[in-house]
Amino acid sequence: AQSVTQLGSHVSVSEGALVLLRCNYSSSVPPYLFWYVQYPNQGLQLLLKYTSAATLVKGINGFEAEFKKSETSFHLTKPSAHMSDAAEYFCAVSSPNSGGSNYKLTFGKGTLLTVNP
Amino acid sequence: NAGVTQTPKFQVLKTGQSMTLQCAQDMNHEYMSWYRQDPGMGLRLIHYSVGAGITDQGEVPNGYNVSRSTTEDFPLRLLSAAPSQTSVYFCASSYKSSGRLNEQFFGPGTRLTVL
Repeated sequence: AQSVTQLGSHVSVSEGALVLLRCNYSSSVPPYLFWYVQYPNQGLQLLLKYTSAATLVKGINGFEAEFKKSETSFHLTKPSAHMSDAAEYFCAVSSPNSGGSNYKLTFGKGTLLTVNP
Repeated sequence: NAGVTQTPKFQVLKTGQSMTLQCAQDMNHEYMSWYRQDPGMGLRLIHYSVGAGITDQGEVPNGYNVSRSTTEDFPLRLLSAAPSQTSVYFCASSYKSSGRLNEQFFGPGTRLTVL
């Protein structure tokens, strides 16, 4: 079974500081991994995804994430936070069940990022 | 492409009423799903479909029905609304690659209040 754990339901940073949002996954087979962003009163938008190519993935708005198989992690980073980055961020994992017929994306519970001026 | 569209954007129901939330996608995706989002609970999967005529339950299916008669449409029916179904509902579509579900494309959501 696949699962996702996002460490920290709320992260607060100062404008210009490093953003680090943590995501650990559990999957019995190499997964696909995703980060989504949700701005207030909007739907979810894909930030970036890992689909077994390069382990360092670059996304929109200056975000990137690194797939580390040994640590089962896919942490999201941005070197310098901007006020417009304030939003909720969701990590998600996709892997087939053993029978290969049950396709699901499993989401973490989300991390709310606050950016202070 | 319009992507994934949902109607209505807002809805207020009284306890016991029924209604259908509409979802459509124009990307020819096989996979469609419905989620509900509640504060502190993240996204919870209600029902999903891997193709026209095929649907299955997610983790919170009680009180909801779905059908998939076409690739494009995946309506969600509330049979007898209850206050516990007050939530924001998202529809999403996706496709498979290399035996895995790829990124999901989300609609803008429907905010439902049940009084």
